[in-house]
Amino acid sequence: QKEVEQDPGPLSVPEGAIVSLNCTYSNSAFQYFMWYRQYSRKGPELLMYTYSSGNKEDGRFTAQVDKSSKYISLFIRDSQPSDSATYLCAMRSNAGNMLTFGGGTRLMVKP
Amino acid sequence: GAVVSQHPSWVICKSGTSVKIECRSLDFQATTMFWYRQFPKQSLMLMATSNEGSKATYEQGVEKDKFLINHASLTLSTLTVTSAHPEDSSFYICSARAGSLNQPQHFGDGTRLSIL
Repeated sequence: QKEVEQDPGPLSVPEGAIVSLNCTYSNSAFQYFMWYRQYSRKGPELLMYTYSSGNKEDGRFTAQVDKSSKYISLFIRDSQPSDSATYLCAMRSNAGNMLTFGGGTRLMVKP
Repeated sequence: GAVVSQHPSWVICKSGTSVKIECRSLDFQATTMFWYRQFPKQSLMLMATSNEGSKATYEQGVEKDKFLINHASLTLSTLTVTSAHPEDSSFYICSARAGSLNQPQHFGDGTRLSIL
């Protein structure tokens, strides 16, 4: 079993829909949680960065972390065709540099 | 802010040549830089971590003599793929982190390496 599980998709939604992306993890030591967006043939772009449990909102994006369930989510409101990309969750513990990534979810927002 | 520039974005070369990839943090000082490799439709695989002025720490299974990493300044790290062969063809991505451990990693746009 992978340390971080993420549904690969593809997830196809109509423009304007609310998108929910999720990751589950097994390592209770993870404290820092990130969501990255990666367009084809580009590097990952940091969208959200959170520490421990709770919610964080930035524009159309909301990140939620539930450490008790080992479950994190990214919500995208009013989705746009330009949101079509692969979304990677990543996380790490307090100690060390290493990020553990999910496999990525491919999102397609159709006009 | 937090822009990481990677160059070149795409390189094609003959088998046996060495290729150097540069990673620069443009608007912050990167105490730690990371090099990843990504295969099609897969997630990122960490190759090595480098701190400015120190030798890089390589992940298990990554040949340090094959993938030379230099982090000579707080804004520049280089990855040199020595004597590249077709199996080294991949998408290489760097990331950089400013200051303390609780800062996030910011990624460059990657380098597509094709070895003929």
